[in-house]
Amino acid sequence: GAGVSQSPSNKVTEKGKDVELRCDPISGHTALYWYRQRLGQGLEFLIYFQGNSAPDKSGLPSDRFSAERTGESVSTLTIQRTQQEDSAVYLCASQISSTGSYNEQFFGPGTRLTVL
Amino acid sequence: AQTVTQSQPEMSVQEAETVTLSCTYDTSESDYYLFWYKQPPSRQMILVIRQEAYKQQNATENRFSVNFQKAAKSFSLKISDSQLGDAAMYFCAYRSARGTYKYIFGTGTRLKVLA
Repeated sequence: GAGVSQSPSNKVTEKGKDVELRCDPISGHTALYWYRQRLGQGLEFLIYFQGNSAPDKSGLPSDRFSAERTGESVSTLTIQRTQQEDSAVYLCASQISSTGSYNEQFFGPGTRLTVL
Repeated sequence: AQTVTQSQPEMSVQEAETVTLSCTYDTSESDYYLFWYKQPPSRQMILVIRQEAYKQQNATENRFSVNFQKAAKSFSLKISDSQLGDAAMYFCAYRSARGTYKYIFGTGTRLKVLA
């Protein structure tokens, strides 16, 4: 497809369960970002990947959160032992490159996570 | 650390009228980018307009324009001839031009367009 896709679009889980969220970036985009958006709030940076460089994990809120990306392809965000405060929309964005001159960031439609 | 502040949680505008959304930011950097994003109920974030800090000229995109005041660290968005389709959440965002490439987002302004 032409855009960033995310799956699932909605996920309901029970407290304590692990969840895995997926992001398919635009082909050729070397940079990939994950954000969390709580209800009525702005976007909170979680992590970003740039090519084969070490990811910037400075936004991950706890060690229950982790993310992986193989090369310049799919990324997965994993939340272990989910808590109710993890309920939010998780947005993924990709960009041709985050270095050099400006390149536009393209967002996916997000995954709405509800932890009961 | 950089911060972005949007002090208007909600704004309303009559169709065909003009509305201005406010954004202020704090940074010690001289080289950076500023953005306005639109998020309709579909959740899809869409870039509306961007401004490079080194450019003095205000960016414009059709009905959307910005008032960039670098010294005041202000970056407001003006929407002219408002349309029903403009109704959405609008987020102001900051990104350094070097070093960290994280985007810092404001908390958003919900724009309602009245018919």
